[in-house]
Amino acid sequence: GAVVSQHPSRVICKSGTSVKIECRSLDFQATTMFWYRQFPKKSLMLMATSNEGSKATYEQGVEKDKFLINHASLTLSTLTVTSAHPEDSSFYICSARSTGVDYEQYFGPGTRLTVT
Amino acid sequence: AQSVTQLDSQVPVFEEAPVELRCNYSSSVSVYLFWYVQYPNQGLQLLLKYLSGSTLVKGINGFEAEFNKSQTSFHLRKPSVHISDTAEYFCAVISLSGNTPLVFGKGTRLSVIA
Repeated sequence: GAVVSQHPSRVICKSGTSVKIECRSLDFQATTMFWYRQFPKKSLMLMATSNEGSKATYEQGVEKDKFLINHASLTLSTLTVTSAHPEDSSFYICSARSTGVDYEQYFGPGTRLTVT
Repeated sequence: AQSVTQLDSQVPVFEEAPVELRCNYSSSVSVYLFWYVQYPNQGLQLLLKYLSGSTLVKGINGFEAEFNKSQTSFHLRKPSVHISDTAEYFCAVISLSGNTPLVFGKGTRLSVIA
């Protein structure tokens, strides 16, 4: 089956620093990747949709200058949390959609970000 | 736009008892329906999906769900739960039209009691 990896799985950083999270589709090409944020005991909130080679589309209320998304290739998307603050602490999950399949989404294992 | 309502935020159930987790959706267009399970500090695992055909869908770990178009529901069931089924369960929908993302319900926490 399709596998999506995320790295790192956990990261602790100091307030004011930036953190990059990688999302890779390991055995398929992902035209579209999605980034979700999950607060404790809450559902997944879609942050943005990225298509390979073009700018990400951010959901309302998500700061695009704070959450930088790059989808440089068909197998890699990155989320950079810039100037992180404690309120950015959360569980971030990426999801990838295979080229030519317009509904199936495969999820990564998630990244736990803690900002101190 | 689509929306998903999971009516129960928490469902406690004794081991080996049956369980039903409810999901209702709203959409002006046809949709595909999914159930995902999330164990603590992990990503989402697909349990089952309804795309077309038989309205009774069987998934992994003994779960099944039935699509009811008239009631716009997609309830998840298991005849006998195990302790290991304790997790968060999410119902999700996606529109058939366009390259749009999954829309999730708020989740139901299933707690299996020994």
